[in-house]
Amino acid sequence: KAGVTQTPRYLIKTRGQQVTLSCSPISGHRSVSWYQQTPGQGLQFLFEYFSETQRNKGNFPGRFSGRQFSNSRSEMNVSTLELGDSALYLCASSLVVSGRETQYFGPGTRLLVL
Amino acid sequence: TQLLEQSPQFLSIQEGENLTVYCNSSSVFSSLQWYRQEPGEGPVLLVTVVTGGEVKKLKRLTFQFGDARKDSSLHITAAQPGDTGLYLCAGDKAAGNKLTFGGGTRVLVKP
Repeated sequence: KAGVTQTPRYLIKTRGQQVTLSCSPISGHRSVSWYQQTPGQGLQFLFEYFSETQRNKGNFPGRFSGRQFSNSRSEMNVSTLELGDSALYLCASSLVVSGRETQYFGPGTRLLVL
Repeated sequence: TQLLEQSPQFLSIQEGENLTVYCNSSSVFSSLQWYRQEPGEGPVLLVTVVTGGEVKKLKRLTFQFGDARKDSSLHITAAQPGDTGLYLCAGDKAAGNKLTFGGGTRVLVKP
């Protein structure tokens, strides 16, 4: 099976702009989670979508939003970009086996806000 | 303050040496996962430990889950340059809850 794919891999934006990142999960996985990774804060959970519905949400401002489509592909959007939004954004699709969830991460989208 | 504290934050050793990375918390976790992340890539799951006191071995890597399920360690024997990367622990407090990640330990194994 193909792994989790994320596009684009690299992105440069300026303050005030908005950005949309895309994630295609592993075939058959219905849950998609998004994380922000920075050197200072580490890996922080943004939100999770399951069957087109947001199931969990982290502590990020409303400028960060997401959605999931019927084919389980997911997008996240960040509006009014700030310098501090520069980070590696990781998407993970997951599968529950024997009651335990295993996450598979994509390679990430590296966003630089100037 | 991180819910999961990893130590050390950075470790640089010579090829052939051993190393141990620690993951500690004041909270109890139903399971704990270890990931390795290489530059430019996402984290890759190495192992999941579930039972208190559990020890799992993956070739030269030994993972241990504390008896109280609040801490874990990763021990690498005879480290190789290919072991270089960011090691992350992540705890799962209950089914349906999202993983909480530690801050990571960056390991550099010099040839």
